[in-house]
Amino acid sequence: KQEVTQIPAALSVPEGENLVLNCSFTDSAIYNLQWFRQDPGKGLTSLLLIQSSQREQTSGRLNASLDKSSGRSTLYIAASQPGDSATYLCAARARPRAGSYQLTFGKGTKLSVIP
Amino acid sequence: EAQVTQNPRYLITVTGKKLTVTCSQNMNHEYMSWYRQDPGLGLRQIYYSMNVEVTDKGDVPEGYKVSRKEKRNFPLILESPSPNQTSLYFCASSLEVGTGSYFGPGTRLTVL
Repeated sequence: KQEVTQIPAALSVPEGENLVLNCSFTDSAIYNLQWFRQDPGKGLTSLLLIQSSQREQTSGRLNASLDKSSGRSTLYIAASQPGDSATYLCAARARPRAGSYQLTFGKGTKLSVIP
Repeated sequence: EAQVTQNPRYLITVTGKKLTVTCSQNMNHEYMSWYRQDPGLGLRQIYYSMNVEVTDKGDVPEGYKVSRKEKRNFPLILESPSPNQTSLYFCASSLEVGTGSYFGPGTRLTVL
């Protein structure tokens, strides 16, 4: 069964810093991996989706990488801003087994960017 | 605007009183799913649907039912809610399995 781990559980950085959030998964036979942002009391907003054949995806100040062989993905945030404060979740989509494309989430990293 | 909507957003009910949480998407997505989010446990999949009339269990299906009679709607039914079903529920959809997921705003359910 796929397990997704995110370390650290919480992170506090001063504004302007570059930072890396980590995500590891136990089963490398993934279909894709997606990073989400969740603001308190709100739903999830998709940030980046990396297909299993890709190594990285970029959107603005965000860059996500994927290394299937080591079971790791990272989300790099450049020049952090207070508005980046949120919980970041990664989710690995399994390759189909008996028709299932299970999406397994990590428990998230709560990021606080201090002005 | 492309979106996933859920209703109600907040619900307080009592044990055993049947309830339905609706989910609707306007993006003509094939794949829809339901999750619950609990502190310390993260998001866990309850049920998913690959297409109309095709549904299957996720990690925590006990106590829940779903139906997919139309492509756009995927209601979550709690026939006899219990306090351990108090949680934050999310509906999600994607064009197909390999594409990104869009999440609804969540439904906070409290069962007394």
